[in-house]
Amino acid sequence: EVLLVESGGGLVQPGGSLRLSCATSGFTFDTYTMSWVRQAPGKGLEWVSAISGSGGSTYYSDSAKGRFTISRDNSKNTLYLQISRLRAEDTALYYCAKDYRTVTQPRGAFDIWGQGTMVTVSS
Amino acid sequence: QSALTQPASVSGSPGQSITISCTGTSSDIGTYNYVSWYQQHPGKAPKFIIYDVSNRPSGISNRFSASKSGNTASLTISGLQAEDEADYYCSSYTTSGPVFGGGTKLTVL
Repeated sequence: EVLLVESGGGLVQPGGSLRLSCATSGFTFDTYTMSWVRQAPGKGLEWVSAISGSGGSTYYSDSAKGRFTISRDNSKNTLYLQISRLRAEDTALYYCAKDYRTVTQPRGAFDIWGQGTMVTVSS
Repeated sequence: QSALTQPASVSGSPGQSITISCTGTSSDIGTYNYVSWYQQHPGKAPKFIIYDVSNRPSGISNRFSASKSGNTASLTISGLQAEDEADYYCSSYTTSGPVFGGGTKLTVL
C-alpha cells in the first residue's frame, strides 16, 4: 500500500520557521516527483512546490519563492518543506502529493495524497 | 499563476447528470492536455479522479467523465449518487507549475 504521512505542523508565531516532513512507503520514492499542496481553512487547493525524483530540479509557486525550500532524502524515502519568515497567510493544511507519472516537471496529476499537517501562524 | 475558474456550486438530484466547468487560458488548459480533476469530501484529502483531460485512474467509476474544448475543461458525473456530494477541483499544467481551480461544491438534492 502506498502511504504518505506528513508531520511537523503546529502553531508558530509570525516570522518563525517550520520544517514539514512527509514519510513515504509502498513505492519507489526516488522515481517520482513529489509536491506540496496547501489548503487554507475553508479555501481551495494551492500548489506550493515540487521536487524531481533525483532532487536535482525544484519548482516553486510565486507565493513560495524566497521563503520555502523543498528537499528530499531518498535514502529515507522522505520529503521536506522548510518554511521561513512565516506569515498569517501561510496558515493552511499542507499536503504532500505524489505525481501520477514518472515525469520531472509536475503536471498537476497527483494520484496519492497524505492526510496533511496543519500549520497555524498566529501570535 | 492565476487560478482556474470554476462555478462555486452545482446541484443535481440522484440519478441525474451534472457538469462542472473549469475555465483557464491559452497558457494552461488551452495549450496543454494535462488537466486533472479531484474529489474532496469534508475533512478528507483530495482523491484523484481524472488525468490528462479525460482519463480515469484505475478504480474510478465510469460515471465520471471529462473533456476539454478550447480553454475550458469539463467534468461530468452521470447517475448522481449521494456519495458524490463533495468539492471538486480541476488542475492544469503550466510552465510555472500546476494551477488549481477554486473548487465547486456539488450538492446532491
